[in-house]
Amino acid sequence: QSVLTQPPSVSGAPGQRVTISCIENRSDTGARYDVNWYQQLPGTVPKLLIYGNNNRPSGVPDRFSGSKSGTSASLAITGLQADDEADYYCQSYDSSLSAWVFGGGTKLTVL
Amino acid sequence: EVQLVESGGGLIQPGGSLRLSCAASGLTVSTNFMTWVRQAPGKGLEWVSVIYSGGTTYYVESVKGRFTISRDKSKNTLFLQMNSVRVEDTAVYYCARFFGYSSGSRNMAMDHWGQGTLVTVSP
Repeated sequence: QSVLTQPPSVSGAPGQRVTISCIENRSDTGARYDVNWYQQLPGTVPKLLIYGNNNRPSGVPDRFSGSKSGTSASLAITGLQADDEADYYCQSYDSSLSAWVFGGGTKLTVL
Repeated sequence: EVQLVESGGGLIQPGGSLRLSCAASGLTVSTNFMTWVRQAPGKGLEWVSVIYSGGTTYYVESVKGRFTISRDKSKNTLFLQMNSVRVEDTAVYYCARFFGYSSGSRNMAMDHWGQGTLVTVSP
């Protein structure tokens, strides 16, 4: 079981807003770390989408936004487009494992 | 423009060794934090190892004692030496720059990725 839990799949129609959750499942109550998000289009390399919970790298459209509260992070995509169809991964650090960790990934389907 | 180009993947038998390379241009490997991430066929991403600019290294538990991350300053290249490989090491291996946006912490993100190299471990 991953330290970061994501829904296996989400879907939405073009133009709609979708959110993808990333829940921290950690037994330790130590330091919490920021969450980053990556987009992996079919057959391509992962791309950094959001870093530090809610920051967009240069070139990432503002249709993508991130948030984090407590042990729950979310990626929101507004104005859904066909080419947003991809796998999305959250990533953070786990001090109990002394390792950087990814969520299991969420497949976004644009209906 | 930053470019990371991995090489060295291939088919290898369990118990064997392989060295992956990641040649960089547009960034200096030795002054950046560099990392390896892998993705098994049809599966998600898994962080494997990191080397800090100062030389400190960290590994995911499943590869400790078997894999070694290193770099060559003169070649501006990152390496991953894989020994005693197992079937479960089969994956595409990506190198990436690991940038710290919050000083003094483990808050880091991977902003530049290579295209990956496939390692297949099979009898």
